[in-house]
Amino acid sequence: GAVVSQHPSWVICKSGTSVKIECRSLDFQATTMFWYRQFPKQSLMLMATSNEGSKATYEQGVEKDKFLINHASLTLSTLTVTSAHPEDSSFYICSARTGSTYEQYFGPGTRLTVT
Amino acid sequence: KQEVTQIPAALSVPEGENLVLNCSFTDSAIYNLQWFRQDPGKGLTSLLLIQSSQREQTSGRLNASLDKSSGRSTLYIAASQPGDSATYLCAALDDYKLSFGAGTTVTVRA
Repeated sequence: GAVVSQHPSWVICKSGTSVKIECRSLDFQATTMFWYRQFPKQSLMLMATSNEGSKATYEQGVEKDKFLINHASLTLSTLTVTSAHPEDSSFYICSARTGSTYEQYFGPGTRLTVT
Repeated sequence: KQEVTQIPAALSVPEGENLVLNCSFTDSAIYNLQWFRQDPGKGLTSLLLIQSSQREQTSGRLNASLDKSSGRSTLYIAASQPGDSATYLCAALDDYKLSFGAGTTVTVRA
């Protein structure tokens, strides 16, 4: 149980375009979802926290107008990178948590390359 | 702000040797401490989760200890195998937020 999926697993886009990444909890309802970013050989950095039906809370230094997060249902959250630039190239990982436990369940990640 | 540190950053051992990975955190008011494994280019695999009220957790060859008062956790991997080669991350949960260390990259030589 507690499976989280991400789609796509990798994506290449051109500079200036937008790309959407989906995060789904497959067998549980996720009241809270988290988005992380990981640059090569670095650790995961939390970008934002989203609760179903509410606006996302962004970490300091993360541009909310660039990284749009929508958590429209208890099983789906999306991250849209708008006007992507090469420096946005990274590994994006989501996680999900139910309301009854603190434990987060992680998705397999999405590799974004902006050319 | 929680700061999580992992030492060493990299470790290379011959097959069969026991591994000791260290993790320290600055704020002891944590809900739990979790250890993950990450293979190159892949996502995270949860290995062990220690609740704040626990001192240790075990799963097979893995044992993790937690000392909240000193802000430390240690992951022990017994009788290492080449398949254990990966990056190991620890993460402390406080205030509903996970803070990750930079990881220890382990290479087990056959």
